[in-house]
This record gives sequence, structure tokens and C-alpha cells, in this order.
Amino acid sequence: DAGVTQSPTHLIKTRGQQVTLRCSPISGHKSVSWYQQVLGQGPQFIFQYYEKEERGRGNFPDRFSARQFPNYSSELNVNALLLGDSALYLCASSLWTWEITGELFFGEGSRLTVL
Amino acid sequence: EDKVVQSPLSLVVHEGDTVTLNCSYEVTNFRSLLWYKQEKKAPTFLFMLTSSGIEKKSGRLSSILDKKELSSILNITATQTGDSAIYLCAVGEGGGSNYKLTFGKGTLLTVNP
Repeated sequence: DAGVTQSPTHLIKTRGQQVTLRCSPISGHKSVSWYQQVLGQGPQFIFQYYEKEERGRGNFPDRFSARQFPNYSSELNVNALLLGDSALYLCASSLWTWEITGELFFGEGSRLTVL
Repeated sequence: EDKVVQSPLSLVVHEGDTVTLNCSYEVTNFRSLLWYKQEKKAPTFLFMLTSSGIEKKSGRLSSILDKKELSSILNITATQTGDSAIYLCAVGEGGGSNYKLTFGKGTLLTVNP
């Protein structure tokens, strides 16, 4: 069975540009979360979506937005990129019961470099 | 200020050693504490500890939650080079649709042969 897949794996952008990152959850998983991991730090929560609705938002500016599609895949958009947005962006999928089981499955991430 | 603090930030040991990684937390609506292992990119789930399950063990790894001290430890016995990774502690807070994980910075463990 395929795990969580993310694309692209690596990308380079310049300041002020916009980026879209994509995530396909494990089949059957309806919840998708996005995390930002800056080098040397733990992942920071950005968004959670469940059944196509936003269920949680971390402390990130409005330049960050996301959505979940009817097939439960998700996109993370970042506008007006800053140098500080350079990070590994992780997507995680789960069953709705992950709060009980703790089983959050992460993808390999998208490494974004902003020059 | 950091809600989840891990220590040490890095640790170098030799194969066969036993290591103890620490995690302390301060959140208002604690639900669970989770440990993940991050070798390259994708963190992989190790344990989840809650009020109803404060001790977990799997092979050479074990973890204990101390709700009174607001902390947890992750023990790894008879370490192997394959244990080299970043170990992340995360605290689950809130509930239902507001449930989210807050991660610490991680402990970088290096096991030398």
C-alpha cells in the first residue's frame, strides 16, 4: 500500500514568489495535516483538514493557506515567499481516530528553498 | 516560550550503551504525549502515552509518562547504529477538531560502532 505521497520533493523559489505543495494521504485516511520543519527544529503545526474542512490552524501568517479536495488530497499554498519560509514541509495523514491511537503517518516532505 | 522541551539536544554514544532521552511539557489541555523517530525526512511513530497508558515498551525501546512532573523519558537499551536518528517528542492538546500536536526540537542521537 502506498504511504503518504508529497510533491514536489525539492523546489527552489525566489522571494516574493508563490508555491503550491501537494499531498496524497494513505487510502482511507480522511484527515490531513501540514507541518513546517525548519532545520534544527521540530515540526510546527500549520493546518489540519478533515472531511474537506479546516479543523485547526497554527500560528502562521495569512500567506499560508490550504485546502482539501473531495478525494482527500490536499494542497498547501504559500504566497509572497520570504527567506524564512525555507523549510521541509511535511504532510501527515490519519484516520479520524488518530487522537486516540496516535498513529499519524508522515510523508517524506517537500524541501523548499527560498533565495 | 517553548511548550515542549527536549534534552539533551544531541548525544553521542557507542553501540551497546543505554540512553535516556527527556521531554518536559507545559500545555493547558494535555491529552497525550507521543514519541517519533526521524531518520531522514518522514518521522515515524514510536509510542503514545496518555493518562490511561503511562508506560509503553517495544523491544529495546521503552517510555514512561510522569504526569505529576509533566515529563516523559524514552529509554533505548543496547543501542545499535540503526538507532541513530532525531527523536521527537510531541504533546497532543485540545480535543476533537481542535486536537493538535506540538513538537519539541528533538534529540539527535548518534550511535557509533
